[in-house]
Amino acid sequence: DVVMTQTPPSLSVAIGQSVSISCKSSQSLVYSDGKTYLHWLLQSSGRSPKRLIYQVSNLDSGVPDRFSGTGSQKDFTLKISRVEAKDLGVYYCAQTTHFPYTFGAGTKLELK
Amino acid sequence: EVQLQQSGPEVGRPGSSVKISCKASGYTFTDYVMNWVKQSPGQGLEWIGWIDPEYGSTDYAEKFKKKATLTADTSSSTAYIQLSSLTSEDTATYFCALTTLYWGQGVMVTVSS
Repeated sequence: DVVMTQTPPSLSVAIGQSVSISCKSSQSLVYSDGKTYLHWLLQSSGRSPKRLIYQVSNLDSGVPDRFSGTGSQKDFTLKISRVEAKDLGVYYCAQTTHFPYTFGAGTKLELK
Repeated sequence: EVQLQQSGPEVGRPGSSVKISCKASGYTFTDYVMNWVKQSPGQGLEWIGWIDPEYGSTDYAEKFKKKATLTADTSSSTAYIQLSSLTSEDTATYFCALTTLYWGQGVMVTVSS
């Protein structure tokens, strides 16, 4: 199985600060169609996960451009600029290139 | 608008089975596979498997092959997951998910005698 290593496990941030979360995979996430199926999800307390970014860098509808995703092959980063209170929760990277699909362990974003 | 409405919380005795439903609306049910994901209390997300409602074909993560059975009823646009031989390790919230974009609200399964 593809192991997704996400760091850091937690982040303490002040409102307005910028943060980055790293996600590294044990194998390349480039699929045979040339696309990279690496996504970022946010799970706010007690809620279902919500996808923010798909295929490395594409923002889902309604997601503010304070969020950005970069990376390739096995090394990916989620950046959040000017953190707002509604951004708090647990962020997961997820790969759907290889079966079984796998997730990072999560990064908990908390207020400082 | 795509919606995935899951059934209510379940309590199962050790050794028994439970079956959870996920009713889909807002899209053509047979056009997309339905995924299932497990989240143990305070833990991360684990992909269980998917079902193609059109053909009934399934794929499972290895650790869930003897635990979960995925089915789908195209007449009611509902996907199901049955969890068998319940143990305390099965206490978790189970989500259905359409791609990684649309998620059900989750169903809490508690295994308790």
